[in-house]
Amino acid sequence: QQQVKQSPQSLIVQKGGISIINCAYENTAFDYFPWYQQFPGKGPALLIAIRPDVSEKKEGRFTISFNKSAKQFSLHIMDSQPGDSATYFCGGMFSGGYNKLIFGAGTRLAVHP
Amino acid sequence: DAGVTQSPTHLIKTRGQHVTLRCSPISGHKSVSWYQQVLGQGPQFIFQYYEKEERGRGNFPDRFSARQFPNYSSELNVNALLLGDSALYLCASSLAGLAGGPGSGTQYFGPGTRLTVL
Repeated sequence: QQQVKQSPQSLIVQKGGISIINCAYENTAFDYFPWYQQFPGKGPALLIAIRPDVSEKKEGRFTISFNKSAKQFSLHIMDSQPGDSATYFCGGMFSGGYNKLIFGAGTRLAVHP
Repeated sequence: DAGVTQSPTHLIKTRGQHVTLRCSPISGHKSVSWYQQVLGQGPQFIFQYYEKEERGRGNFPDRFSARQFPNYSSELNVNALLLGDSALYLCASSLAGLAGGPGSGTQYFGPGTRLTVL
């Protein structure tokens, strides 16, 4: 019940297009869902996060859509740029416990010019 | 403002040796968590420390241990290194030990220490 399943494993998008990455979780106790962006040789950087009491959160070109009944959430990157090329990880965490963040396996995004 | 810092950046060890990795959290953050990231996978939770006490532990053998100091910095120790311990070791700091309230459990990661075991 701890898993967070992420898809696709890799994604190629043309510059200006929309990148969509999906995640599904099993643990219904999770109430905090962040997305991290990681460049090669660097640590993950927090991109955007959502709690299940809202269905959508937008920050600039990045939007999280959340479907509590389906236990699924997704990251949409609008107007994708070559600089967005990185690995993206979704995560899930239970706020009432210690800070154990469960990560998905990651999606390697390549934005072609 | 300085983010999470980790040292060393890279480390090469041989099987059976011991290693100590260090982490300094963001100023004002009292919680440190450690993660192991094997190449091509998502980070896996190892430990969380808050106020110098272990608050959570992942599914890692007893060869892995950690501690937190009064200034909230932390060390991760791994004994009897195996080839499979080769990974990027990440430290994350957060404001609070329990992830209660908006933002209190948000974790900010350092650049990691790349450990290679030969």
